[in-house]
Amino acid sequence: GQQLNQSPQSMFIQEGEDVSMNCTSSSIFNTWLWYKQDPGEGPVLLIALYKAGELTSNGRLTAQFGITRKDSFLNISASIPSDVGIYFCAGPPALTGNQFYFGTGTSLTVIP
Amino acid sequence: KAGVTQTPRYLIKTRGQQVTLSCSPISGHRSVSWYQQTPGQGLQFLFEYFSETQRNKGNFPGRFSGRQFSNSRSEMNVSTLELGDSALYLCASSFTGSTGELFFGEGSRLTVL
Repeated sequence: GQQLNQSPQSMFIQEGEDVSMNCTSSSIFNTWLWYKQDPGEGPVLLIALYKAGELTSNGRLTAQFGITRKDSFLNISASIPSDVGIYFCAGPPALTGNQFYFGTGTSLTVIP
Repeated sequence: KAGVTQTPRYLIKTRGQQVTLSCSPISGHRSVSWYQQTPGQGLQFLFEYFSETQRNKGNFPGRFSGRQFSNSRSEMNVSTLELGDSALYLCASSFTGSTGELFFGEGSRLTVL
C-alpha cells in the first residue's frame, strides 16, 4: 500500500540530545499515529493525534498534528539509550479512510 | 486489558510448505489487519477483516489468505511458501478498523528455507 514520506531515514545522536522527525503525505489525514518498534518486536503505539494543530505529549515525547493535515512531527527530548529503535508514523487518509498507511520509518541510534 | 496475541512467535518452514498464523485481538476490537514486514519493503498491508468479512486487501498473491472467526480471532495462511515469504508477520487490532488507534501484536517471525 501507499507509504508516507518520513524523514530523516536514520539518526545518530548523543545521549541527552533532542530528536525531531516528521512525516508528510499528499493526502489529508484525520488521525496521525506514532509508533516505536524494537528489533523483532511489534510496533508499540506512542502517541495518537486527532485534530489539526493538536500537540500531545507522552513523557519526553511530543507529537503535533500539522495544520495542513498532511503532516505530523515527533520530538524526543533528552534522549536516552532505550530510545533506540525505529519510529513509524501512520494514519488513515481522510478521503479513502479504509486502511492505515505507514511511514518508511526513522531509525534512531543513541550513543551513550 | 490483554494486548494483541500472535502465535507462533517463530517458525521455520521449507519451500512449498504452507503455514497458518493466528491472532487474537484486544477484547472488544472487531477489526483485525495483517501486515508483512521485511527490511527492504517496510510494512506492507495484507488484508483487513471486520466482523468476519474481509473489507480490504493489499497487493499480495492469492497464496496469502485469511479469515476471521465470530470471536474476532483471525488466522492468515500462506500456501506454497517461497523464500521471499520470510518476514515478520504482524497482526493489528482496532475497534473500527479505519479510524482511531491501531494496536499491534509482537509478530510471527517466519523463515522459509
